[in-house]
Amino acid sequence: DAKTTQPPSMDCAEGRAANLPCNHSTISGNEYVYWYRQIHSQGPQYIIHGLKNNETNEMASLIITEDRKSSTLILPHATLRDTAVYYCIVRVYFSYQLIWGAGTKLIIKP
Amino acid sequence: GAGVSQSPSNKVTEKGKDVELRCDPISGHTALYWYRQSLGQGLEFLIYFQGNSAPDKSGLPSDRFSAERTGGSVSTLTIQRTQQEDSAVYLCASSSTGSAETQYFGPGTRLLVL
Repeated sequence: DAKTTQPPSMDCAEGRAANLPCNHSTISGNEYVYWYRQIHSQGPQYIIHGLKNNETNEMASLIITEDRKSSTLILPHATLRDTAVYYCIVRVYFSYQLIWGAGTKLIIKP
Repeated sequence: GAGVSQSPSNKVTEKGKDVELRCDPISGHTALYWYRQSLGQGLEFLIYFQGNSAPDKSGLPSDRFSAERTGGSVSTLTIQRTQQEDSAVYLCASSSTGSAETQYFGPGTRLLVL
């Protein structure tokens, strides 16, 4: 079973920041939080991952709460091309296993 | 550089027939993964290859499913005696090593069993 909980769907206006929440209340100390997205009819695309510190790359920012029980993926200036299903996954470091949930369908509206 | 490629992109077959799905990983990647994705669902792990080690087949749903990886590169997923419930998107991913490395996915093969 997936170890994360995400809202099934969200809307966001184009140009605004999209904030996608994820609960992982049973996360262990050696588990990372990974985010992937899947644009319609394509394979999943890696976005970002983190352990306990906030992370930022060219695609997004990842904010992890101090107790590590939840996190938020931030797309700072959403575009129509960001419409996709976003998956939050916890992964034991040095394990290849990714346990996928149903994700959040993010719709960016003009 | 080239990403993960899969073929065919779409496959329609009749119940009871065998199918073969192919995956070409990113050059130099030693780890290769197969997943299955049913409509509206997350990904279901099927099998994992890492270098010359014995593959982890723990996710294969039945003995009708098998996979091989020749020469440490190309992989083929075979489904024998296909059933309608096998209809799904089959995704392949590779990573530079196994363990903690980021997995890069191919576009998938959409299988429809009639």
